[in-house]
Amino acid sequence: AQKITQTQPGMFVQEKEAVTLDCTYDTSDQSYGLFWYKQPSSGEMIFLIYQGSYDEQNATEGRYSLNFQKARKSANLVISASQLGDSAMYFCASETAGNMLTFGGGTRLMVKP
Amino acid sequence: DTEVTQTPKHLVMGMTNKKSLKCEQHMGHRAMYWYKQKAKKPPELMFVYSYEKLSINESVPSRFSPECPNSSLLNLHLHALQPEDSALYLCASSSAGQETQYFGPGTRLLVL
Repeated sequence: AQKITQTQPGMFVQEKEAVTLDCTYDTSDQSYGLFWYKQPSSGEMIFLIYQGSYDEQNATEGRYSLNFQKARKSANLVISASQLGDSAMYFCASETAGNMLTFGGGTRLMVKP
Repeated sequence: DTEVTQTPKHLVMGMTNKKSLKCEQHMGHRAMYWYKQKAKKPPELMFVYSYEKLSINESVPSRFSPECPNSSLLNLHLHALQPEDSALYLCASSSAGQETQYFGPGTRLLVL
């Protein structure tokens, strides 16, 4: 079974600064995928970024980058130049065979003006 | 286009009612999912359909009945629900064989 741990229930960041959201995972699979989703108060889960276990380079998507450290089983999300609209819940997730996603408990990010 | 639509956005129902949630995608995805999310918790997988066949049922009570009429549509039929079933119900889809799941905006369900 897979397990995703997000140790930061809530975080504050000043607008325009960078922030790192932590995620560790526990899996015995050799091949797996790691995801980050953003969930604003409206409820929709918005896909942000994906990292495959065999990808040698860290994934980047605009202001989002994934700091993937396979030996440590960590997949931290880095958001650069935070904006007020980044305030939301952020979920780390892993994908198992059968296209099943396992989510972490989430981190609530609050961006201060 | 990565849009998944869900209707209705909000639903209030009594414990004796029968209602249905609808999910639609036009991305050609062949896998579709229902998740249940309680407040301040992560989504929990309920059902997975792959190529219009139910492939995963995560021990969901029979008062929830999924249906996949075609490759673009996914329904969740609700009957005799309990107040503890009140939650946000999220639909998602993905290309079979690819990993990224795209979610709809969800239906907020309140059972009285």
